[in-house]
Amino acid sequence: AQSVSQHNHHVILSEAASLELGCNYSYGGTVNLFWYVQYPGQHLQLLLKYFSGDPLVKGIKGFEAEFIKSKFSFNLRKPSVQWSDTAEYFCAVNGILEGFKTIFGAGTRLFVKA
Amino acid sequence: DVKVTQSSRYLVKRTGEKVFLECVQDMDHENMFWYRQDPGLGLRLIYFSYDVKMKEKGDIPEGYSVSREKKERFSLILESASTNQTSMYLCASSPQKSSSYEQYFGPGTRLTVT
Repeated sequence: AQSVSQHNHHVILSEAASLELGCNYSYGGTVNLFWYVQYPGQHLQLLLKYFSGDPLVKGIKGFEAEFIKSKFSFNLRKPSVQWSDTAEYFCAVNGILEGFKTIFGAGTRLFVKA
Repeated sequence: DVKVTQSSRYLVKRTGEKVFLECVQDMDHENMFWYRQDPGLGLRLIYFSYDVKMKEKGDIPEGYSVSREKKERFSLILESASTNQTSMYLCASSPQKSSSYEQYFGPGTRLTVT
């Protein structure tokens, strides 16, 4: 069965600090990988996704993530966070053989101090 | 612009009541999903549907049922609401022709069962 593990439940950073949120998944086959973000009071929305090609993917607002197949990881990074990045971030995985079913991690709440 | 709407943002119901949560999407997506979101647990899949009148159980279907009579509408039903069903409920949709199965989310319904 698929599973997703996010390493940190709460992260507090100051503005301009670098961010890395860890995500590991458990699935033996080909995967699609996602990071979703939920800003306070807003819908959950896609931040970035990987489904093939270059393992380093870039998303909106300066975020990027790297798929490392050998480590079953898909960590999210941003070189310099802003106060407006305060949100909850969810890693998600869709195993190709699982069809349309996507499994989400528990989420990481990021608070950026101005 | 992609849009998923949910019938209520906030709902308060009594134990034992029958509860209907409605979701409508206007993107002509084949797949629709119901999740519940709880702090520290992320999003957990209740049911999903990949076609009209078709449904599949997710990870936590107990106490819930669904209905999909039209492509654009997916309803979640709590036959007899209980206090442990107090949660945020998220509806999502995705196109089948997409190679990556990214999902589009509604704003959520915060249900309180007293």
